[in-house]
Amino acid sequence: QQPVQSPQAVILREGEDAVINCSSSKALYSVHWYRQKHGEAPVFLMILLKGGEQKGHDKISASFNEKKQQSSLYLTASQLSYSGTYFCGTDPRNQAGTALIFGKGTTLSVSS
Amino acid sequence: ETGVTQSPTHLIKTRGQQVTLRCSSQSGHNTVSWYQQALGQGPQFIFQYYREEENGRGNFPPRFSGLQFPNYSSELNVNALELDDSALYLCASSLETGKAFFGQGTRLTVV
Repeated sequence: QQPVQSPQAVILREGEDAVINCSSSKALYSVHWYRQKHGEAPVFLMILLKGGEQKGHDKISASFNEKKQQSSLYLTASQLSYSGTYFCGTDPRNQAGTALIFGKGTTLSVSS
Repeated sequence: ETGVTQSPTHLIKTRGQQVTLRCSSQSGHNTVSWYQQALGQGPQFIFQYYREEENGRGNFPPRFSGLQFPNYSSELNVNALELDDSALYLCASSLETGKAFFGQGTRLTVV
């Protein structure tokens, strides 16, 4: 069951904020966020574990609502370097051998 | 720089041929997962190896197979290539359920 990401695309000017959402129909143990630039490998951003925690890294933060099986990625005061496609990867179980199921991605374009 | 290396970076094969892709995982990581990423799509899970045993498989036919070696490096083999197999193939290494680090991928083109 592939998680659903929204919106599909976001266009921003430098300094603006954005929110990317990831919803799953299955109970989740964790949500992983990645950013992929064109022609490059996905780069790990952060993991959120069940428990509703919120994490932050520089001006990028995320939350995980376990009851709703939803995660949101918050990008504040966006920079040109934030451009890329953001994927959430969901992990329904906490067992060795669990692979991430990725959404279709949200493309973020930041211009000056 | 993730420490995960894939080879080759690009490959062109003819329909019906066989291909082997290789992945050298990050030091100490005992889990390797393989993904297929079509253009404009998210990575699709192929299978995962944990301590040299296949430990999970996605919705891919048996002609997709793999191996993990004692040093935790891994191979992805695809037999009887089809045009739809053209994609970016990514491997990701992790320590069990921890964060996964992706290699730069192998771009496979089937003609």
